[in-house]
This record gives sequence, structure tokens and C-alpha cells, in this order.
Amino acid sequence: DTAVSQTPKYLVTQMGNDKSIKCEQNLGHDTMYWYKQDSKKFLKIMFSYNNKELIINETVPNRFSPKSPDKAHLNLHINSLELGDSAVYFCASSQGGGATSSYEQYFGPGTRLTVT
Amino acid sequence: GDSVTQMEGPVTLSEEAFLTINCTYTATGYPSLFWYVQYPGEGLQLLLKATKADDKGSNKGFEATYRKETTSFHLEKGSVQVSDSAVYFCALSKGGKLIFGQGTELSVKP
Repeated sequence: DTAVSQTPKYLVTQMGNDKSIKCEQNLGHDTMYWYKQDSKKFLKIMFSYNNKELIINETVPNRFSPKSPDKAHLNLHINSLELGDSAVYFCASSQGGGATSSYEQYFGPGTRLTVT
Repeated sequence: GDSVTQMEGPVTLSEEAFLTINCTYTATGYPSLFWYVQYPGEGLQLLLKATKADDKGSNKGFEATYRKETTSFHLEKGSVQVSDSAVYFCALSKGGKLIFGQGTELSVKP
């Protein structure tokens, strides 16, 4: 059974388009995250949700909008895609959350987004 | 601000060699520390963790000790295998998020 899954695995699209990436976890965790990995493999958090509530929102352009319909799902919608959005996006989840959480996070396989 | 610094890669070793990947951190308080591994084309897998000073995390022959006095969490393995070839990330947990180092690519040759 896949613990944290993402769809699609690859996404190729043109500048200006709008796209979504979906994430689901079956670990029963209550906190989910989105991370961006750039071409140099540097990883940086974008958002986190705890029990469907946004708790971390790093300095990400407002073209990026996360949505959590329930504890097991966290989607990422990106409007007006730009070349610089090309990256690998990872979803993660952890048991426990909030600003004081130090629980380990479990990552999905990633979505490689290429904007042409 | 909080940060993690790892030794630069790529690191190339022969099979059965000893591995050390250095990691130092800057943070207020006492963050939890982690090593994650990313195999080619895959997501990150938790390799080991330590939650307080002098804790030793270990898994699959890898070890790392949380050293508060030197703010370090170096990754070691006594005898690497070709299958250990991957990118290794050191990270600290603070404020509900992981802060990663830049990653160290390890290549093990037969």
C-alpha cells in the first residue's frame, strides 16, 4: 500500500496555463505539506495543513493555492504557470502538527512539473 | 535564521569504503534532526532521526549522533554498497516544518 501518493508523476505544460497536483495519504496523519525541489535539488517548504487548516504559508506567490478537502488529501493548484515554476513538488505528511511539531515527515514520490 | 549546512558533493567511494557526510546546523532551542535519502527518480525516505542531544539514530548500517556542543549530526556508515548511491539530506525540524541542507550526492563504485 502506498503511504503518500501524488498524481500526476509528470506534468508538462505551457506558460500561462493552470494546473493541479493531487496528494493523498493513508497513514492517518493529520498534517500535510507541500515542498518544492529546485533543479539543484534544494528543498523548501511551501505550505502545511493541520486538520484542514492552513498553518504554514511560506513566501510563495499567490498563484499557488493549496486546498485540503479532508485530512487525507492536500491538493496544489497553480495559476498562470511560469518557467520558474518548473521543479519537483513533493507532498508529505506527519502525525501531529502545528508550530511545535517535530514529528518525522513521510514523503510522496514527487511530481515533476515542466513549464515550456 | 535556522539553517542546515552539508558537505558538498558529489562524494565518490569504492564499495566497502567508510562513509562520512558532514552536517552542521544553526538553530535556537533544541530541534529534532533527521537524515533523509533520495534514490534516483524517487521521493525522500526517512533514514534516521534524533530528537535530543547525544541521541544516536541508526538504520540500515547508517548512524548519526546529535552533538549539541558542535551543532553537528554527521552521517556515517562503516561499509558502503553500490545500492547506497543516492542523494542524502540532513534536516532539522522547527516550527512544524523541515529545513533541509543542500543535499550530498553519493556515488558508490563496484
